[in-house]
Amino acid sequence: GENVEQHPSTLSVQEGDSAVIKCTYSDSASNYFPWYKQELGKGPQLIIDIRSNVGEKKDQRIAVTLNKTAKHFSLHITETQPEDSAVYFCAASSSNDYKLSFGAGTTVTVRA
Amino acid sequence: NAGVTQTPKFQVLKTGQSMTLQCAQDMNHNSMYWYRQDPGMGLRLIYYSASEGTTDKGEVPNGYNVSRLNKREFSLRLESAAPSQTSVYFCASSAGGWSEKLFFGSGTQLSVL
Repeated sequence: GENVEQHPSTLSVQEGDSAVIKCTYSDSASNYFPWYKQELGKGPQLIIDIRSNVGEKKDQRIAVTLNKTAKHFSLHITETQPEDSAVYFCAASSSNDYKLSFGAGTTVTVRA
Repeated sequence: NAGVTQTPKFQVLKTGQSMTLQCAQDMNHNSMYWYRQDPGMGLRLIYYSASEGTTDKGEVPNGYNVSRLNKREFSLRLESAAPSQTSVYFCASSAGGWSEKLFFGSGTQLSVL
C-alpha cells in the first residue's frame, strides 16, 4: 500500500516568514494529493489539493507543488499569521485504491 | 450548517465494554468514513462506505464494525473495547467515492481503561 512520509514533525516560524512542509509518497500510481489543517480540538479541514496532472496550485497565501518524478509534494505558506498555527497533514491516494493515506503531521507554530 | 456531527465527544470505557459512535452528515454526501488518529501516526482509515448500503474495510478494521443506517448516518461499533483502541475517532464524508475533499466531524476522544 501507499506510504506517505512528512517532514518536519514540528516547525516554528516568525510571523510574516514562510513555512514549507514536505511529503514523499511511495506508490507511483498515486494521483491525488490533498493537504488538511487541524486546529486544536477540531477535525481536519481541507485547505488545498492537487492532482498529478498539475505541477503547482495556489490559493492566496498557500501553494502546493508536486514533483511526480521524485514522488514528493510540498505545502508553502507565505506571510504566516498567528492563525496559521495548527497541525498540517499531507495525504495521497490513487484511483486504483481510493483509500487516502496520511502523513504523520506537522505542528506549525507562528511566533508573534 | 451542521456539516458532520459526531456523538459523543468524550467517552471512557472499561476493557470489554461495548459502545457505538454515531455520525450524521447533512450535506447529502454519498460516501462516509471512519478514521482513528493516534499521536505520530496521522489518520488511519478504519471502515468506509462508498454509498448507502455498502461498507468496506480500511487499513485498521480489526475490533470494529460499522453500519450505514441510511444516506445520512454511519455508525462505528466497538464490541469489546481494548486499551489499544484508545484514540481520537473522526467521521468524515465526501460527495464522491474517491476520498476526495473530505469533510470531517469534530471527533470523539475515547479512552479504554
